[in-house]
Amino acid sequence: DIQMTQSPSSLSASVGDRVNFTCRASQSVSSLLNWYQQKPGKAPKLLIYSASKLQTGVPSRFSGAGSGTDFTLTISSLQPEDFATYHCQQSYSSPRTFGQGTKVEIK
Amino acid sequence: QLQLQESGPGLVKPSDTLSLTCTVSSGSIRSSDYYWAWIRQPPGKGLEWIGTIYYTGTTYYNPSLKSRITVSVDTSKSQFFLKLSSVTAADTAMYYCARSRGAVAGGSDFDYWGQGTLVTVSS
Repeated sequence: DIQMTQSPSSLSASVGDRVNFTCRASQSVSSLLNWYQQKPGKAPKLLIYSASKLQTGVPSRFSGAGSGTDFTLTISSLQPEDFATYHCQQSYSSPRTFGQGTKVEIK
Repeated sequence: QLQLQESGPGLVKPSDTLSLTCTVSSGSIRSSDYYWAWIRQPPGKGLEWIGTIYYTGTTYYNPSLKSRITVSVDTSKSQFFLKLSSVTAADTAMYYCARSRGAVAGGSDFDYWGQGTLVTVSS
């Protein structure tokens, strides 16, 4: 199985901050990497697919980059509704695997 | 807007079989473009893909659970199902159903999710 490692596991930031966090795969997944946002008590929501493609309806302050083993999710200007946990997921090979998540908290 | 809704018992005894239903509405489960998946999340932990089914009945399972899971579909009712046998406390989790764009590899994601149902395994 491909292991997905996210860092950091949590971070504190303020509204308006530019925030980056990373996802690393244990082997190359090409660009087949997705990002999800999950708020407490809610189901995950697809933000980015194929590493850099913005899902319909997702604000443009979210962006994704990377290929191979290293990927980044960036929020250009953190908004109050962005405080959540973010998960990466590879779809290069079966079984599809997720990272353990990065929790974004209010500073 | 497509909607998915999980249903089933919230409490299952150890060694019993967990059975869940996902009902799809405001969209067709028979679409040739999509697959249907089960994903779970133990309390405070990450997400784990369980299995995926196509409307024809073709299934894909996580090898770590393959010996214990059965995923099936009833297109006439727009429902798909999960059965997980011989459950233990480690199977306690929030169980989600989701729509998958793509099968299990070569590019796929989960673009619609149900709200989830918490299943606790306890005597």
